[in-house]
Amino acid sequence: AQSVTQLGSHVSVSEGALVLLRCNYSSSVPPYLFWYVQYPNQGLQLLLKYTSAATLVKGINGFEAEFKKSETSFHLTKPSAHMSDAAEYFCAVSDHNFGNEKLTFGTGTRLTIIP
Amino acid sequence: GAVVSQHPSWVICKSGTSVKIECRSLDFQATTMFWYRQFPKQSLMLMATSNEGSKATYEQGVEKDKFLINHASLTLSTLTVTSAHPEDSSFYICSARDKLRDRVYEQYFGPGTRLTVT
Repeated sequence: AQSVTQLGSHVSVSEGALVLLRCNYSSSVPPYLFWYVQYPNQGLQLLLKYTSAATLVKGINGFEAEFKKSETSFHLTKPSAHMSDAAEYFCAVSDHNFGNEKLTFGTGTRLTIIP
Repeated sequence: GAVVSQHPSWVICKSGTSVKIECRSLDFQATTMFWYRQFPKQSLMLMATSNEGSKATYEQGVEKDKFLINHASLTLSTLTVTSAHPEDSSFYICSARDKLRDRVYEQYFGPGTRLTVT
């Protein structure tokens, strides 16, 4: 079974500071990994995804993540936080057997931006 | 592109009644749709996977007779919560996959439906 662990249910950073949200995965096969963002009372929006191509993945809104197989990690970063980044962030891993691409989500990290 | 809508966005119903939630793909064909449930300040839990024209596959622990899923067309899936009880109150989110696109394994999420059972 595949799983992801998000360290830190709450992260607070100052506006303009580095954002680092941690995600570690467990998978018996090469994983597909995703980061989603959720604003209050809304669905999920894909930030970026890793599907076995480049290990450094760039996404929307200035976010990027690096797949590190040796550390089984896929941490999300942004060099300079903006107030609009305040949201809930979910890391997810895909069971990518063709025809059954279920996503397993982490428990989420709530990002707060301090003015 | 790749927009998924849900209707209604929120609903309040009385205990014992049934409520139907619609999930539509607006600009693509959704060969597979997923239904998730999210409790306050918690993660998303997959309830079931539905493929167009076939029966839904439910996750372990999800009552198929209580949460009826119908994926009758390539753009519409419905989730019916039957004989709803207060413990069914939750945020329900659907997502859809478009196998014809090149974005393999990407799911497009709807905005969610908040169900409150009184």
